[in-house]
Amino acid sequence: DQQVKQNSPSLSVQEGRISILNCDYTNSMFDYFLWYKKYPAEGPTFLISISSIKDKNEDGRFTVFLNKSAKHLSLHIVPSQPGDSAVYFCAASAADQFYFGTGTSLTVIP
Amino acid sequence: SQTIHQWPATLVQPVGSPLSLECTVEGTSNPNLYWYRQAAGRGLQLLFYSVGIGQISSEVPQNLSASRPQDRQFILSSKKLLLSDSGFYLCAWSVRVREQYFGPGTRLTVT
Repeated sequence: DQQVKQNSPSLSVQEGRISILNCDYTNSMFDYFLWYKKYPAEGPTFLISISSIKDKNEDGRFTVFLNKSAKHLSLHIVPSQPGDSAVYFCAASAADQFYFGTGTSLTVIP
Repeated sequence: SQTIHQWPATLVQPVGSPLSLECTVEGTSNPNLYWYRQAAGRGLQLLFYSVGIGQISSEVPQNLSASRPQDRQFILSSKKLLLSDSGFYLCAWSVRVREQYFGPGTRLTVT
């Protein structure tokens, strides 16, 4: 059973515009959430995270929003750049485990 | 600083052959260690995780096994590979279950 879901397998955005990647989860015990960026044939790299006690965390062009009542988080990238084109995974953690979504492939069009 | 190594980077093995993938972490002590697989076009599937030497938890029943002979060493093995074992294998570590860091991955092709 997929506890973390990314329902959009792909997303295309014009350079300079905002990219919004969405993620939903089912387990209310998750207390930490992360976003990773992955290029083909490479390991995922950590991007940004948020604790369940917060509803927003910002780092440069990247902002993560958490809506606990809706069990939903999103990653905003603004402005989007061609180098942002990659697969983005959201993850949630509880106890000793991390649970990953299936990823969203973002393409930023120059 | 912490680094994580995986080898080999790529591997082509025939069906029925054994497998051994190794992962080592430097710069940290007593990390949690994880093996994931990313099949073509799919997300990250957790295979095994370990919270200490000799402690292995399996998430998916299959013909793979894992061992942790040393604090910062994690090995993924198989006695007989199947075609369905092909994929991109990733090792990862974390200390406080707050951030998890991945190795460069091993591309395994079973022929």
